[in-house]
Amino acid sequence: DTAVSQTPKYLVTQMGNDKSIKCEQNLGHDTMYWYKQDSKKFLKIMFSYNNKELIINETVPNRFSPKSPDKAHLNLHINSLELGDSAVYFCASSQVGGSDTQYFGPGTRLTVL
Amino acid sequence: KNQVEQSPQSLIILEGKNCTLQCNYTVSPFSNLRWYKQDTGRGPVSLTIMTFSENTKSNGRYTATLDADTKQSSLHITASQLSDSASYICVVTLGGSQGNLIFGKGTKLSVKP
Repeated sequence: DTAVSQTPKYLVTQMGNDKSIKCEQNLGHDTMYWYKQDSKKFLKIMFSYNNKELIINETVPNRFSPKSPDKAHLNLHINSLELGDSAVYFCASSQVGGSDTQYFGPGTRLTVL
Repeated sequence: KNQVEQSPQSLIILEGKNCTLQCNYTVSPFSNLRWYKQDTGRGPVSLTIMTFSENTKSNGRYTATLDADTKQSSLHITASQLSDSASYICVVTLGGSQGNLIFGKGTKLSVKP
């Protein structure tokens, strides 16, 4: 029944490592997003994908790369992790671009040591 | 500059009391305004969504209002319950094809017994 799921829920890793976070939605939505929520709880959009095309790409480091193998998945790859990457990352999906309600996943708490 | 400001930053109320959260925005062009509830450790969940022509929208004990002239919105919670303790985030969608979302920083509500 889970609409938007993310794995893993927690991720602890060392600086310099490469890691991935997976996201899947079973709502049949055509747009998926990645958000970063920092320690001050401020949500900031990182990427969105619509029909396998990147339509929003905020000023995030190119160490972050979204990959969408199909419409139901949008994975986030992070290379050369830095301390400042520690945050909670949320995946979300919606039906029509940014004008429809977004459904969020449970979040992945990333801690970089 | 497109911004969403929320007040207060945090609020503590007693169970059973009512409260009102405020959201002011300077987003243009405007498409819609959403209120999200985010429980600790969870992803945000949509409560209401209002377009330019809608003045009020209810979802159970939650009632949102929108004044598009003054660019203000409020979220009123009636007969608060302990489970209402969460962060409430105001989000405004930019008009246009990309529909970028502008997030407020949220109001952290604590309901005490």
